[in-house]
Amino acid sequence: NAGVMQNPRHLVRRRGQEARLRCSPMKGHSHVYWYRQLPEEGLKFMVYLQKENIIDESGMPKERFSAEFPKEGPSILRIQQVVRGDSAAYFCASSLNPETEAFFGQGTRLTVV
Amino acid sequence: QQQVKQSPQSLIVQKGGISIINCAYENTAFDYFPWYQQFPGKGPALLIAIRPDVSEKKEGRFTISFNKSAKQFSLHIMDSQPGDSATYFCAAADVIIQGGKLIFGQGTELSVKP
Repeated sequence: NAGVMQNPRHLVRRRGQEARLRCSPMKGHSHVYWYRQLPEEGLKFMVYLQKENIIDESGMPKERFSAEFPKEGPSILRIQQVVRGDSAAYFCASSLNPETEAFFGQGTRLTVV
Repeated sequence: QQQVKQSPQSLIVQKGGISIINCAYENTAFDYFPWYQQFPGKGPALLIAIRPDVSEKKEGRFTISFNKSAKQFSLHIMDSQPGDSATYFCAAADVIIQGGKLIFGQGTELSVKP
């Protein structure tokens, strides 16, 4: 039973480019959460999605960031026109339902140059 | 109100000693309190979790103590081993209202010396 799969593991983008981060939840999990971890800091909640629906996006920056979790395929976190301050590790977690344990992926480390 | 405050920021313990990490919260609606362990370059992994209807939960060498009135909870690692050296995060969630959205503490970097 594969865990939460995130790809790519490392992503380098130039300022102004777009970054697309993918997350395939564990089999049977329909709840997905995205978190951002800045160097030497804890994890900050960004967005909570359930298949085809955004449940809570209170942690998402108002501009340039968007997330989706389509009926088929992985969840995507999209960052448009990246800036240096977007450099961070982005983690995805999935759960069977809101009350059960959330399992984290290995993360995508985004570096903006 | 959504914050979880964690201390200490870093901790050095001798092998065989007890590691203690503390967290405090303000939101009384929080009803789920997990602890995660993270090794460099890896994602967080759930260690142990507690709900507010119990004051203590033990799994192997790891124990959570929960004080609802003080709005504090702590992780105790007994017989600490060098392999326990990692960053530990406490977290809290208001599952009933906000689902599985976790609010994390700032993290504690634990180093266990042989």
